[in-house]
Amino acid sequence: GENVEQHPSTLSVQEGDSAVIKCTYSDSASNYFPWYKQELGKRPQLIIDIRSNVGEKKDQRIAVTLNKTAKHFSLHITETQPEDSAVYFCAARGGYQKVTFGTGTKLQVIP
Amino acid sequence: KAGVTQTPRYLIKTRGQQVTLSCSPISGHRSVSWYQQTPGQGLQFLFEYFSETQRNKGNFPGRFSGRQFSNSRSEMNVSTLELGDSALYLCASSSLKTGGNTGELFFGEGSRLTVL
Repeated sequence: GENVEQHPSTLSVQEGDSAVIKCTYSDSASNYFPWYKQELGKRPQLIIDIRSNVGEKKDQRIAVTLNKTAKHFSLHITETQPEDSAVYFCAARGGYQKVTFGTGTKLQVIP
Repeated sequence: KAGVTQTPRYLIKTRGQQVTLSCSPISGHRSVSWYQQTPGQGLQFLFEYFSETQRNKGNFPGRFSGRQFSNSRSEMNVSTLELGDSALYLCASSSLKTGGNTGELFFGEGSRLTVL
């Protein structure tokens, strides 16, 4: 089955700096890669996703890149703000397969 | 549009007991999936249902079971509870189409289970 590895597990950045979270996946059949943000005590929510026919996608201060050959994808957050502090989960899915999540990255933005 | 609703929100059980958790998906969503969340382990997939059929199952023991009703509401059951079953159980719904799914998961707030 699919295996998703996520790094780093914790990340501290100064407000205004950029943050990068990286994930690798094992199943070449995976074609959908979402990212979820979970604030403390709240439910995970989708912040951005990318499909395998696209190499990069941006939404304001966040972007995701996908390298299908290397089987890795990354989340980039620019100009970080305190409200970006949360746990971020990457995930991978292909067709009818289950969604497999990474183990999460706790991002702390220091004001 | 109402979100995903999970009940109960909190519950405390003792070892050996069983528990049933309920999930009402967003209206019109036919796919419901369940996840176990523990510190350091992220979101572990339990099972996924679509139109009352289990489509996928995670690597959990047979003590964990689930079902989906004709109105798409879902329940999961854990029998013979163990201390390690203490976790937040999250349900998510999606507007899964028959041709596969690459859609957004909408999570409920979860049911926090404590096993003593």
